[in-house]
Amino acid sequence: TQLLEQSPQFLSIQEGENLTVYCNSSSVFSSLQWYRQEPGEGPVLLVTVVTGGEVKKLKRLTFQFGDARKDSSLHITAAQPGDTGLYLCAGAYNNNDMRFGAGTRLTVKP
Amino acid sequence: DAGITQSPRHKVTETGTPVTLRCHQTENHRYMYWYRQDPGHGLRLIHYSYGVKDTDKGEVSDGYSVSRSKTEDFLLTLESATSSQTSVYFCAISGRGRGQETQYFGPGTRLLVL
Repeated sequence: TQLLEQSPQFLSIQEGENLTVYCNSSSVFSSLQWYRQEPGEGPVLLVTVVTGGEVKKLKRLTFQFGDARKDSSLHITAAQPGDTGLYLCAGAYNNNDMRFGAGTRLTVKP
Repeated sequence: DAGITQSPRHKVTETGTPVTLRCHQTENHRYMYWYRQDPGHGLRLIHYSYGVKDTDKGEVSDGYSVSRSKTEDFLLTLESATSSQTSVYFCAISGRGRGQETQYFGPGTRLLVL
């Protein structure tokens, strides 16, 4: 059973479209991280959210942590082919435990 | 980019053969981790280390052992490889425990057990 559920699993859109991917859990996390992974490489951290209700923006990417700290979303505005990749969320609980979702594989077509 | 290298990058082996994967860091980070990544499962922690000779099990530790004799090196050993251990293995490092700060990942090792 996946502790963190990400949806959708796959997403294919045209350049310029907006999209949102979701990360949901029944557990409360002390923090939640979003990573992006390109083929043949390891994941790279995009952002960490810590406070319930927190919103962080990174250029065209907007990250939100749910009020109850059980879910998060990543919104991309005007997607570009360079946004193509696997987006992973990871929730931290206790002092040294963290669980990853299975990821959303995004393809942005030119 | 964080200085993390993994070797080998690709390996094909046969069932029952011992396999050792190496992770090397130049960042002097205290924590090192081994994950495996499989479709539909995301990244799952195998073992981690919080200092030289200090290691602990993760979610999927059965069939794996680790050693850390130096700060910069963390070895993952499959004592007798099985087909279920076919996966992509990632090493990661951090200065503090997971979730407390950024983890930096290596480029991965693709292992195929025939």
